Order: sequence, then structure tokens, then C-alpha cells
Amino acid sequence: KAGVTQTPRYLIKTRGQQVTLSCSPISGHRSVSWYQQTPGQGLQFLFEYFSETQRNKGNFPGRFSGRQFSNSRSEMNVSTLELGDSALYLCASSPVPGQGFNQPQHFGDGTRLSIL
Amino acid sequence: TQLLEQSPQFLSIQEGENLTVYCNSSSVFSSLQWYRQEPGEGPVLLVTVVTGGEVKKLKRLTFQFGDARKDSSLHITAAQPGDTGLYLCAEHESGGADGLTFGKGTHLIIQP
Repeated sequence: KAGVTQTPRYLIKTRGQQVTLSCSPISGHRSVSWYQQTPGQGLQFLFEYFSETQRNKGNFPGRFSGRQFSNSRSEMNVSTLELGDSALYLCASSPVPGQGFNQPQHFGDGTRLSIL
Repeated sequence: TQLLEQSPQFLSIQEGENLTVYCNSSSVFSSLQWYRQEPGEGPVLLVTVVTGGEVKKLKRLTFQFGDARKDSSLHITAAQPGDTGLYLCAEHESGGADGLTFGKGTHLIIQP
């Protein structure tokens, strides 16, 4: 069974540009969550999508957005990139929403975004 | 938002030694998950603990949930180089809508 697939694995951008990252969840999983991981702040929740709708959102500026398609694949977009956006962006999927003990998260290997 | 404190932040020990890492909060956990993340990969779920006082074992790894459900520990017996990685605890606040809250992790290096 294929795991969560994130593309691209690595990306280099410059300040002011925008970027789109892609996530394909495990087959049959309909909930997709996005996280940002940095050395200073650790893993922080960005947002969660289910049935093409954003269910939850973390404490990030509006430059961070996302969407989910009818096949459950998800994209996240960051506009007007800043140096501080350099991070590992992780996507996680679960069969349905709810991130408690009965809905473990399955993570992809992330997209490493570097801003020059 | 609940904050999870993990300690130690870094730990480097020799193969064969035992170790314990900790995850603490000032608030009660509804449940707690432990993940291990290896370089270049995403976190992988190791275990979920739910009941206060619960102990779960995964081969050489023993996970304990505090009686008051405000702390948890991970004990590794006879550590091996393959145990090297970032160990993260995470919690979804009961009734919360902010996704999983992670601690900053313990970076563990097992030297052969």
C-alpha cells in the first residue's frame, strides 16, 4: 500500500515568490493535514482538509493557503515568500477527520523548502 | 493552546546503554502519541497512550503515561544505532480544533 506522497522533495525559491506543494494521501484516506517543521519552532499545524473543505486552521498568516481536490489530493500555497518560510513542510493523512487516538496520522517525507 | 515540554533536547549515548526521555505538560492530555522521525523522512507513529498509568511496550521501547495524564516517558533498553532519530510527543487537545500539538522533540544519537 503506497504511503503519503509529497512533491517536490526539495525546492529553492527567492523572497517574494510563491510556491505550491502537493500531497497525495494514502489510498482511501480522505483527511489531509499540513504541518511546518523548523529547528526553532518544531512541528506546527497549518491546516486540515476533508471533503474539499478546510476544517481547521493553525496560527499562520493568510499567505499560507491550501485546497483539496475531489480525489483527496491536496495542495498548499505560500505567497510572497519570506526567509522565515524556509522549512520542511509535512503532509499527513488519515481515513477521516479527528486526530485523537483512534485516527493516527500517516506522514509523508515532506518538501524541503529553502528561501534565498 | 497546550504546550508540550520534552527533555532532554539532545542525548548521545553508547550502544547498549539504557535511556529515558520525557514529555510534560501543565494541562491534562486527552491522549498522547509518540513518533520517531529519521533524517529526511516524516514522523512515524510508535504508540498512542490513552489511560492514566498505562504502560505499553514495543520491543525494547517502553512507554508510560502518568497517572494524572500530564506526563509521559519513553524508556529504551539496550539502545542500538537504529534507534537514532528525533523522538516527538504529540497531543490533540480534547475538543480542540488546532490539529496535533507537538513537543520540540528529543534528538537521540546512539553511537556504535
